[in-house]
Amino acid sequence: GQNIDQPTEMTATEGAIVQINCTYQTSGFNGLFWYQQHAGEAPTFLSYNVLDGLEEKGRFSSFLSRSKGYSYLLLKELQMKDSASYLCAVIVGDYKLSFGAGTTVTVRA
Amino acid sequence: IAGITQAPTSQILAAGRRMTLRCTQDMRHNAMYWYRQDLGLGLRLIHYSNTAGTTGKGEVPDGYSVSRANTDDFPLTLASAVPSQTSVYFCASAPGASGANVLTFGAGSRLTVL
Repeated sequence: GQNIDQPTEMTATEGAIVQINCTYQTSGFNGLFWYQQHAGEAPTFLSYNVLDGLEEKGRFSSFLSRSKGYSYLLLKELQMKDSASYLCAVIVGDYKLSFGAGTTVTVRA
Repeated sequence: IAGITQAPTSQILAAGRRMTLRCTQDMRHNAMYWYRQDLGLGLRLIHYSNTAGTTGKGEVPDGYSVSRANTDDFPLTLASAVPSQTSVYFCASAPGASGANVLTFGAGSRLTVL
């Protein structure tokens, strides 16, 4: 089976930075996604990494180290609207996505 | 507005009843997926279809069936619902079957089996 681990919950203050870690042990690796999901809504795409390194997109950045089976999502200048669940998902050998359980981030004023 | 439509939004169902969750997309995407989302377990793949006319089993297919008669529609059927199938069900689609394609999700169908 696939093993994708991320923290269950994180809390941070508005304007701060939060880093959400994701470690994976999967049968094959063909890329890693981060999705954002607000409560009661559908997941939406945030980032995609297939090569090692940092991908920056505005206030959000995603990092991948394939040798370590590790990724993180960095959220900068936190806003209240960033309160959501963040889902790490790995493309496994059969080209299907396997999701972690998600990290719920709460942003406090 | 292009996207995925799921129906019903919410349903309470007696155990043993048959139920079909509907999913329609208007983006002409080839690949479609059904996931269930349960607290603490994340999204788990039930069934998928790489293109119209083909389907495949995901991680948790037992008790569910799908069909893909055309590009747009991908219904999920519970032949005889059981309480463990209480969950939020998300339909998703992607331009192609490769996992590198970004998934577009529907708004979800919340199903409660009593």
